[in-house]
Order: sequence, then C-alpha cells, then structure tokens
Amino acid sequence: KAGVTQTPRYLIKTRGQQVTLSCSPISGHRSVSWYQQTPGQGLQFLFEYFSETQRNKGNFPGRFSGRQFSNSRSEMNVSTLELGDSALYLCASSSGRQGLETQYFGPGTRLLVL
Amino acid sequence: LAKTTQPISMDSYEGQEVNITCSHNNIATNDYITWYQQFPSQGPRFIIQGYKTKVTNEVASLFIPADRKSSTLSLPRVSLSDTAVYYCLVAENTGGFKTIFGAGTRLFVKA
Repeated sequence: KAGVTQTPRYLIKTRGQQVTLSCSPISGHRSVSWYQQTPGQGLQFLFEYFSETQRNKGNFPGRFSGRQFSNSRSEMNVSTLELGDSALYLCASSSGRQGLETQYFGPGTRLLVL
Repeated sequence: LAKTTQPISMDSYEGQEVNITCSHNNIATNDYITWYQQFPSQGPRFIIQGYKTKVTNEVASLFIPADRKSSTLSLPRVSLSDTAVYYCLVAENTGGFKTIFGAGTRLFVKA
C-alpha cells in the first residue's frame, strides 16, 4: 500500500496570506489527523477528521480549519498567516474505528512564513 | 488526558540496551500506552503499544507495572540508526484520536 502523502512538501508564504495543505491517507483509512510541529512547542494536535466529520479538535485558533472529502483526503487551511505559523505540518491516517489504531504519518509540509 | 513525563535526552553506545521510562501518573482505566519514534524531518513512526504487563515485537519491548503509572520502552542492542526522538503517548480507548505528544526523549547512539 502507498503511504500517506502530503502536498506540497515545502511552502513559503508571507504574513497575512492564507495557505491550504493537502493530505492523502492510506487507502482504506478513514481517519485523518493533523499536527503542527515546531522546535519550541513540539508536536501539537490540531484536529481529526473521520468520515468527513471533525471528530476531535485541539487548542488552536479559528484561523486553522480543515475538511475531509468523501474519498478520505483531507485539507487543512490556515488563514491570515502569522510568523509563528512557520512549522512542519504533519498528517496521520488510521482506520480510526476506536482511536487506538496505529497512526501512519506522512512526510509533512514545511511552511515558512515571512 | 493523562500527561506524560519523559527524560529530555539520553546517550548510549552501539550494542547496548536502552530503557526509556515514561511517567503517566494520571492514567485512566481505559488508557493505552503507545510509543512513537521520529527521525529529523520525518513524521513519527509507531513502535509499540500496550495496556499492562509486557508487550514485545520485533523492534522493542514495553514494560508496564501493575499500577500503570509508568512504562518503560526497551530497545535491545541499539545501533547508530536508532538515534531519534521517542515519544510516549497515553491514548483513551474511545472514538477518535485526542493524541497529545509530550516533549519526547532524544536518544543519541554513539559508536
């Protein structure tokens, strides 16, 4: 099976812009979670989608949003970018039935906000 | 969600056994313990998961005492390629993920 893919891999934006990141889960997986990783804050949970519905949410401002499509692909959007949004954004997929299944992470999208 | 505490960093030599202990004093009855490994510029990778006693797979063992307030990841005979950050997570057995990653333990394996 192909692994989790994320596009784009690298992105440079300026403050105030918005950005959309994409994640394609492993075939058959219905849960997609998003994480932000920075040197200062480590890995932080953004949200999780399961069958097109947001099932769990972390403590991020409303500028961070996401959605999931019927084929389980997911997108994450960040509006009004701030310098502090510079980070590695990771998505992870799993079968998602219970919340304990192994999460398979993608390579991440490295976002730089100037 | 139970908070986890791990050592910030550890050093080891090739061929040694490495034990990384994680504290989770507030673990709930339905919580499972999961460990992930992360290399620089890559996403975390699942290592092992357990509920109680001992779990072993082809890469590691996980020891969980009866009170489940801590757990120990054991990596037998580490190599240079095991240099990575290791995360201990406590996940509740319920619908969906509410995964909280701690700071992790940076393991540095020396030749």
